[in-house]
Amino acid sequence: GQQVMQIPQYQHVQEGEDFTTYCNSSTTLSNIQWYKQRPGGHPVFLIQLVKSGEVKKQKRLTFQFGEAKKNSSLHITATQTTDVGTYFCAGNQAGTALIFGKGTTLSVSS
Amino acid sequence: EAQVTQNPRYLITVTGKKLTVTCSQNMNHEYMSWYRQDPGLGLRQIYYSMNVEVTDKGDVPEGYKVSRKEKRNFPLILESPSPNQTSLYFCASSQRGGSYNEQFFGPGTRLTVL
Repeated sequence: GQQVMQIPQYQHVQEGEDFTTYCNSSTTLSNIQWYKQRPGGHPVFLIQLVKSGEVKKQKRLTFQFGEAKKNSSLHITATQTTDVGTYFCAGNQAGTALIFGKGTTLSVSS
Repeated sequence: EAQVTQNPRYLITVTGKKLTVTCSQNMNHEYMSWYRQDPGLGLRQIYYSMNVEVTDKGDVPEGYKVSRKEKRNFPLILESPSPNQTSLYFCASSQRGGSYNEQFFGPGTRLTVL
């Protein structure tokens, strides 16, 4: 069945360093979504990518969708302590349920 | 305020004692779903509902039941809870099912089954 794999599982950085999490699917996706879950909180939608090769930016966050629509990445430039949390990607094929990756937990030390 | 609410937020119970976790959304969303979150396993879908009276199994439906009698409510029922159902549960809703809809999550229900 469809799988969405996310790496790394954990990442610790010093404040100001960059951070990237990668998401890979075993099948071509119709779209991919990214969510952030703060410690003790619930997942919150960040963005959705639909087109092959799409790149979107939100301030220090850059999201990419691969040309083959099988992979995606989230890059954070110059991390801040407010970036702490778990980042999930979620994707699906058209007409199927959204499948979440296992998430990357980011910790930031100042 | 647009939101998804869940009750209770925390629950400690014993094996075999039936329980219901309620979920309600005020956004007139058609699609609702339940997830469980366990360390190292991410979010796994239990059941989902495309609309009133339409429900279907997700990845881990065993030991759970749901119903969708009204558009706004989607309760999760554990008829005979077992310790392996100890988990953090999230209800989520979106405007419609399918690929292109942002999921809105409730605050979560932390369940412990002794």
